[in-house]
Amino acid sequence: EVQLVESGGGLVKPGGSLRLSCAASGFTFSSYNMNWVRQAPGKGLEWVSSINSDSTYIYYADSMKGRFTISRDNAKNSLYLQMNSLRAEDTAVYFCARGLGLCSGGSCYPIQPMNYWGQGTLVTVSS
Amino acid sequence: DIQMTQSPSPLSASVGDRVTITCQASQDISNYLNWYQQKPGKAPKLLIYDASNLVTGVPSRFSGSGSGTDFTFTISSLQPEDIATYYCQQYDNLITFGPGTKVDIK
Repeated sequence: EVQLVESGGGLVKPGGSLRLSCAASGFTFSSYNMNWVRQAPGKGLEWVSSINSDSTYIYYADSMKGRFTISRDNAKNSLYLQMNSLRAEDTAVYFCARGLGLCSGGSCYPIQPMNYWGQGTLVTVSS
Repeated sequence: DIQMTQSPSPLSASVGDRVTITCQASQDISNYLNWYQQKPGKAPKLLIYDASNLVTGVPSRFSGSGSGTDFTFTISSLQPEDIATYYCQQYDNLITFGPGTKVDIK
């Protein structure tokens, strides 16, 4: 059974930093692209960042670029999101999500539909 | 950046009704369009990918169509368990979610 478990959320002051983790199990982690998506309280979904299976392709939403860093450790089956210079508007539930695994001709799409999601971890940025 | 719009929102319908949600992209995204269902307090669930492909295990009352800039998501016969917010998402150029359509029972 595929499982994604986020951790590392909490209360942080504006300008502070936080590192989120996502522990994956039940599938070959090193074969799939991974993503972070967030949802502010009462709001819609907002894509944060994506990373392909071997970390050769990394993408960020414009509002996170330069402040957030996505990474993965395939040996530890883990995905990370380092968040710096946090702002009040970064307050949200952060979900990690696995890509669907769409590949063609031996090459997998660097950005994919997300078919497994964790339960999310809440990040609150407030003084 | 590609912008996504959805209509209507919200949407009220009766059990058994056919429900249709439209999603429009600000530029041609071919068929790189997915639909997600999110129930309150839960993570989103992928229902349809690449505009019309039903994810394994998703009931056949859900369907999707469209290409280019205009897409449609349909529930052929609304069930009480379908009460949720539905999001379209493009992945032709990075990723953008639509604003969501909240579906409830009339």
